[in-house]
Amino acid sequence: NAGVTQTPKFQVLKTGQSMTLQCAQDMNHEYMSWYRQDPGMGLRLIHYSVGAGITDQGEVPNGYNVSRSTTEDFPLRLLSAAPSQTSVYFCASNFYRGDTEAFFGQGTRLTVV
Amino acid sequence: KNQVEQSPQSLIILEGKNCTLQCNYTVSPFSNLRWYKQDTGRGPVSLTIMTFSENTKSNGRYTATLDADTKQSSLHITASQLSDSASYICVVSGNTGGFKTIFGAGTRLFVKA
Repeated sequence: NAGVTQTPKFQVLKTGQSMTLQCAQDMNHEYMSWYRQDPGMGLRLIHYSVGAGITDQGEVPNGYNVSRSTTEDFPLRLLSAAPSQTSVYFCASNFYRGDTEAFFGQGTRLTVV
Repeated sequence: KNQVEQSPQSLIILEGKNCTLQCNYTVSPFSNLRWYKQDTGRGPVSLTIMTFSENTKSNGRYTATLDADTKQSSLHITASQLSDSASYICVVSGNTGGFKTIFGAGTRLFVKA
């Protein structure tokens, strides 16, 4: 049972480039989410999904897009990378939205130069 | 404003010693509080959950307490081990304008031999 799988683990982008962070879970969880983790701050919610075909914005959605075509996959797209998007990104899944135990992926360390 | 404040920011202790990490929150109405452990380069993993009616809960050498009246929680680690070196994150969930989960910035614990 792999849990939540995130790829890549590390990425360097140039300003203006786009990329997609991949996230997959094999626990049949309804709720999936993306967070960014910056030094000295708590994890901040970027986007979330309560089920296939349903997504919504979190606290810091600007510059990011998501889609949820299947229960398993929840990719995060950076449209035009900026240095302010340098961060560690975590994908997480919960059994359902009100279930507060989140299962996290290993994270993607993204640097935008 | 819903907030979760953790102290200290970082802590260094000798192997075998005990320590206590603090979490103060202003999230209201309160649903539950979780403590997560985040090893370096990994995603957070849930240690324990505290609900409104619970005062103390243990998970091995980890003991969490909750005072819902003063909105404070603590995580006590007994007989620390080198493997306890990690960040410990307090996460509070509440039904405030829709179900929300707010992450503290974490306490970075270093256990030295």
